Amino acid sequence: GIQVEQSPPDLILQEGANSTLRCNFSDSVNNLQWFHQNPWGQLINLFYIPSGTKQNGRLSATTVATERYSLLYISSSQTTDSGVYFCAAHTGNQFYFGTGTSLTVIP
Amino acid sequence: DAGVIQSPRHEVTEMGQEVTLRCKPISGHNSLFWYRQTMMRGLELLIYFNNNVPIDDSGMPEDRFSAKMPNASFSTLKIQPSEPRDSAVYFCASSFYTGGPGELFFGEGSRLTVL
Repeated sequence: GIQVEQSPPDLILQEGANSTLRCNFSDSVNNLQWFHQNPWGQLINLFYIPSGTKQNGRLSATTVATERYSLLYISSSQTTDSGVYFCAAHTGNQFYFGTGTSLTVIP
Repeated sequence: DAGVIQSPRHEVTEMGQEVTLRCKPISGHNSLFWYRQTMMRGLELLIYFNNNVPIDDSGMPEDRFSAKMPNASFSTLKIQPSEPRDSAVYFCASSFYTGGPGELFFGEGSRLTVL
């Protein structure tokens, strides 16, 4: 399988701040997704982004498949953005998950 | 449309008891995945099915774990006998595979506590 590494592991932000989360993967992938696990444990789909850039409100994501990384941008953070952000890369028959970035947004 | 539906949401049982977790994938999806999440090990893939056939069960911890998918709309994960170290959140997820991976969607998870 491939290695998926996320950085930073932990992040604390003041409400209103911006942040960038990074996901590196060790080999070519067919698919890259970003998920948000909220404090209640639900895994929410954010982006399905094998390549290119997508935006959804205050969130956007960019995947540069040739350089084996993806970035998740959070702008004007809100307390509801708190939780753990996972990226998952698909290759072969499986999705491989990173260990997540734990984000805490302070009011 | 309904998402991935899992039951029960919470289960507390005693060591040695049988546990059955259930999953209904999104209608039309042909791939189904069972994951386990713990603080120590993160998200681990246990098994996945494609068109109801188990493709890779290398993540199943041991013979105490078994999974079935008798039809396209239902899967079970069974633990017998259960042990305290099986305590975790078990997620079911589904996607539509068409020669390449479709978007993966998760259920809300089943939180298992084995005393």
